Formats: sequence, C-alpha cells, structure tokens
Amino acid sequence: QLQLQESGPGLVKPSETLSLTCIVSGDSISSSSYYWGWIRQPPGKGLEWIGSIYYRGDTHYTPSLKSRVTISVDTSKNQFSLKLNFLTAADTAVYYCARHYGNYWYFDLWGRGALVPVSS
Amino acid sequence: QSALTQPASVSGSPGQSITISCTGTSSDVGSYDLVSWYQQHPGKAPKLMIHEGSKRPSGVSDRFSGSKSGNTASLTISVLHTEDEADYYCCSYAANNILMFGGGTKLTVL
Repeated sequence: QLQLQESGPGLVKPSETLSLTCIVSGDSISSSSYYWGWIRQPPGKGLEWIGSIYYRGDTHYTPSLKSRVTISVDTSKNQFSLKLNFLTAADTAVYYCARHYGNYWYFDLWGRGALVPVSS
Repeated sequence: QSALTQPASVSGSPGQSITISCTGTSSDVGSYDLVSWYQQHPGKAPKLMIHEGSKRPSGVSDRFSGSKSGNTASLTISVLHTEDEADYYCCSYAANNILMFGGGTKLTVL
C-alpha cells in the first residue's frame, strides 16, 4: 500500500530556508503516470498548491512562490524534496506531500502533513 | 491568478442534500474538465472525493457527486450524514501547468 511521509525540522527561523523531504513507500516514485506534489495550509486557512515534480525532474510551480521554491527528486531513495527560502512568518503552515495524477491534475494520495512554524 | 471562490459555510440536516459551488473563470474551471474536490476533517489530511469534475474514486460514497456549468463547478452531497461535517475544497487546473484551490467551505450538519 502506497504511503507518503513528510520529514523535516520542527521549527525554522525567518530569512532561513525550509527543507522538507517526502519518503514514498509501497510503490516506485518512477511511475510514468504520476507527478509528486507539495501543498501547504497555514493554520486555520485554506490549501495552497506549491508545486509538483515528475520523476525525470520536470517541475511546475505556483507563480506566487516560484522565485523562492525548488522541488527535487531522488529516484534512488524513492523520495522528493521541497526547499523554500527567505522564510517569513507567513510561511508557517502544515506542509503536505501528495501524489499528483499527471494529466488529470488531482491529488489521490496524501501524506499526513508536517507543521513547520517560522519563528525566531 | 486568484483563488477559486467558494461559500465560506453551508449547513444542512441529516438526510438532506446540499450543494457547494466553486466559481472560477473561463481560463480555469470554464475551460477544463479538471476540477477535483477534497474533504478535510479537523487535524487530518485532505481526501480526494471527486476528480475530473464528476468522477468518484473507488471507495467514495455515491452520495457525493460533481458537476459543472460554465465557470462554476459544484459538489452535491445527498442524504447528509453527520460524518460528512468537514471542510471541502475545490481545485482546478488553470492552464500553463498551474493548479488553484478554492478558499474552502465549512459544512455543518445540524
């Protein structure tokens, strides 16, 4: 059974870089049908798509975060990662990784989420 | 791009039906049959309920249905159950390989 698990720091400081990894278990990240995405949710607010990556490295990012975001994939470890730099308190959120069905643009499997507070 | 527009809240009684709207533009909802809907209970990850506008994943109750008219997509839940109380989010493809979520709707089952 496919599972996704986010891992990363519990707290990051303003102006620093957030690094999160999503470990995929139960199936290969190199499936031709899927992208792998990151979505975030500030406390008490709605969902925001950050971006998605294909196993070959093709990436798509939301325009508002594109200048600060890098998503990468490591097929040898069956995982993908998110880096978000120049953090502010507004980046405080639960960060979810999810499997994104490529051509149809929906997320069919989600990780449990990782809360990342940005605070000094 | 702006987020898709959803009502902040809707409510209904057990056994009733409700509909949640998701309004976009001719550049997103109106141009593609690529709207998905997610259910989120407090403290939990979102769960896919509808994809490609009207398709239900395996395991999702047929009480949930999706549709579209023009630039507005809709999620209908028939025969409300108390466990349907949750937040619901729509999401649409918006050209140039971009996805947008709606602001979310809180469903209260009275």
